[in-house]
Amino acid sequence: DIQMTQSPSSLSASVGDRVTITCRASQSIGSSLNWYHQKPGKAPKLLIYDSSTLQNGVPSTFIGTGSGTDFTLTITSLHPEDFAIYYCQQSYSAPRTFGPGTRLETK
Amino acid sequence: QVQLVESGGGLVKPGGSLRLSCAVSGFILSDYYMTWIRQAPGKGLEWVAHISGRDSNTHYADSVKGRFTISRDNAKNSLYLQMNSLRAEDTAFYYCAREGDYGGYPSWGQGTQVTVSS
Repeated sequence: DIQMTQSPSSLSASVGDRVTITCRASQSIGSSLNWYHQKPGKAPKLLIYDSSTLQNGVPSTFIGTGSGTDFTLTITSLHPEDFAIYYCQQSYSAPRTFGPGTRLETK
Repeated sequence: QVQLVESGGGLVKPGGSLRLSCAVSGFILSDYYMTWIRQAPGKGLEWVAHISGRDSNTHYADSVKGRFTISRDNAKNSLYLQMNSLRAEDTAFYYCAREGDYGGYPSWGQGTQVTVSS
């Protein structure tokens, strides 16, 4: 099975800040990497699929890059609604594992 | 529009069984991979199982293999998860999700709570 790791595990930032979250796969997954965020009591929301493609309706402040084993999610300017837990997930092979999550909190 | 609605969660004793259902609408069930994903209290997301669209191939996480069975009834527009030999560590919120055409899960249900406790 492919293992996913994320760093940092938590992050404090302010509205308007630029933040970056890193995700690493235990083996090459090409560009088969997806990003979600989840707010309390809600289902996760897909932000980016295939490493860099924005899901419909997701603002362009979200940027995904990477291929192979190393990926990043950058939020170029934080909005209040962006404070959430962020997960990466590989869709290269089953089981389609998730990373452990990065908690993005307001400073 | 695409809708997924889970049901069947509840409180069950260790060793017991439960069957979750996910009623879907707005798309043809057999055209998509369908997945169950769970989240234990205060924890991250855990991929549980999926079933392919065309040939109903299944795959399971090691943590549930041999105890859980994913299935689908296209005529009833429903996805199922039969959970046997339940353990305390199966306690979680269970979501059904539809896989996107290019990867990822763009569509999720609201989830159903499963609690395994004596």
